[in-house]
Amino acid sequence: GEDVEQSLFLSVREGDSSVINCTYTDSSSTYLYWYKQEPGAGLQLLTYIFSNMDMKQDQRLTVLLNKKDKHLSLRIADTQTGDSAIYFCAERSSSASKIIFGSGTRLSIRP
Amino acid sequence: NAGVTQTPKFQVLKTGQSMTLQCAQDMNHEYMSWYRQDPGMGLRLIHYSVGAGITDQGEVPNGYNVSRSTTEDFPLRLLSAAPSQTSVYFCASRSNRDRPYNEQFFGPGTRLTVL
Repeated sequence: GEDVEQSLFLSVREGDSSVINCTYTDSSSTYLYWYKQEPGAGLQLLTYIFSNMDMKQDQRLTVLLNKKDKHLSLRIADTQTGDSAIYFCAERSSSASKIIFGSGTRLSIRP
Repeated sequence: NAGVTQTPKFQVLKTGQSMTLQCAQDMNHEYMSWYRQDPGMGLRLIHYSVGAGITDQGEVPNGYNVSRSTTEDFPLRLLSAAPSQTSVYFCASRSNRDRPYNEQFFGPGTRLTVL
């Protein structure tokens, strides 16, 4: 079945870049998402990428997709304290209704 | 628009009690779903619905029932609560139309503790 894997924790220094990695198993994944969850809140869509794209950039965020290796990454440039959150990778195939989420990566920022 | 609303925000139950977690959305979304979030396990899909009158099981459906009599509401029922159901529950909705990013909107969550 479908599976999405992420490491659980990442700690970076304020001002450095953060790179959060994700692997998935469903080769028919069409849509890949990054969601952000701040403490005590629900998830909010941060960015997305289609499977026919290699890269997407949106201000401080860069998403890289290696479809051959089924590897997705999220890079946050100039990481700020407000970026502290849990980041979820998720995927959906065009034929499926449901979105499959990873376990989430907790990003903490060191001063 | 209120988006996705969930009630209650917090609930404590005793083992064996039943209760219903409420979820409503005012965006006319066809697709609604329930997830539970546990530490280190991410979000696991409990049940989902692609439209009024249609429901289906997700990854972890045991112990939960759902119904979808209207487009707006998608309640989740715990028939006989167990400590293993202690978790944070999120309801989500999105349009079935294949928009470019097909954003799924989440409610604020219900934190349930079963003693």
